[in-house]
Amino acid sequence: ETGVTQTPRHLVMGMTNKKSLKCEQHLGHNAMYWYKQSAKKPLELMFVYNFKEQTENNSVPSRFSPECPNSSHLFLHLHTLQPEDSALYLCASSQDRTGDTEAFFGQGTRLTVV
Amino acid sequence: GQNIDQPTEMTATEGAIVQINCTYQTSGFNGLFWYQQHAGEAPTFLSYNVLDGLEEKGRFSSFLSRSKGYSYLLLKELQMKDSASYLCAVMDSNYQLIWGAGTKLIIKP
Repeated sequence: ETGVTQTPRHLVMGMTNKKSLKCEQHLGHNAMYWYKQSAKKPLELMFVYNFKEQTENNSVPSRFSPECPNSSHLFLHLHTLQPEDSALYLCASSQDRTGDTEAFFGQGTRLTVV
Repeated sequence: GQNIDQPTEMTATEGAIVQINCTYQTSGFNGLFWYQQHAGEAPTFLSYNVLDGLEEKGRFSSFLSRSKGYSYLLLKELQMKDSASYLCAVMDSNYQLIWGAGTKLIIKP
C-alpha cells in the first residue's frame, strides 16, 4: 500500500466509449502525475499537476483529458481511444517537484481498447 | 536528446549478488532514482543519489558517478522476492524525471 489509490484496476473499452480513471492520495502531496507504461518501454509522463494547476502536458493527444478538482484527486477522462492506447496507466504523487522528492505510485489501471 | 540505458533482462541465483547498471545522458542533473516494480504492482522507491559515491540501504546499495553518467544498483543475498523490474530514472534540470525502460531481474533457486 503506497497511499495512492487508483480505480478501476482493469478497464476494457470500445473505441467509441467514454470512461474515466480515478486517482486519490491522502499523503498531503502537492504534485500529481499521470504516466503511461507500455511493455518494454520507459514510463511516459503524460500530465503533471502542481498545487492543482496543470504544469506539463507532454504532447498528449486530446482524447486524453486530465482533471484535478483538488490536491487529493486526479482524473483522466478517456474518449474515442485507439487500440495503441492500450497500456498500464499509472498515477503518482510527490510532496513537490524538487530533486530529492520520491514519487509514490498507484497500482495502475490496465486499459485495453478494443 | 535525453536517454537512459539499462539492460533489458538479467538472471541471477538465489543468495548471490547482482549489479544492474544504468547510464544516462540528460539535460542537467538533479538526482538519480531507482524503483522496484513487481509484476502487476506499483513501482516503489528504492534509492536516490545526487552526489557521487555509494549509498547503502540494507541488502541494496546504489552508486553514482556524475562525471561518467553512470549508476548501478547492487543487490546482495538475493531472495526469490527480489524478482522484479528495476527502473532507473534521472531528474533533469527542469525537475522532470527521465525513465529507463527497466531491467527485469529473474532469480533462480
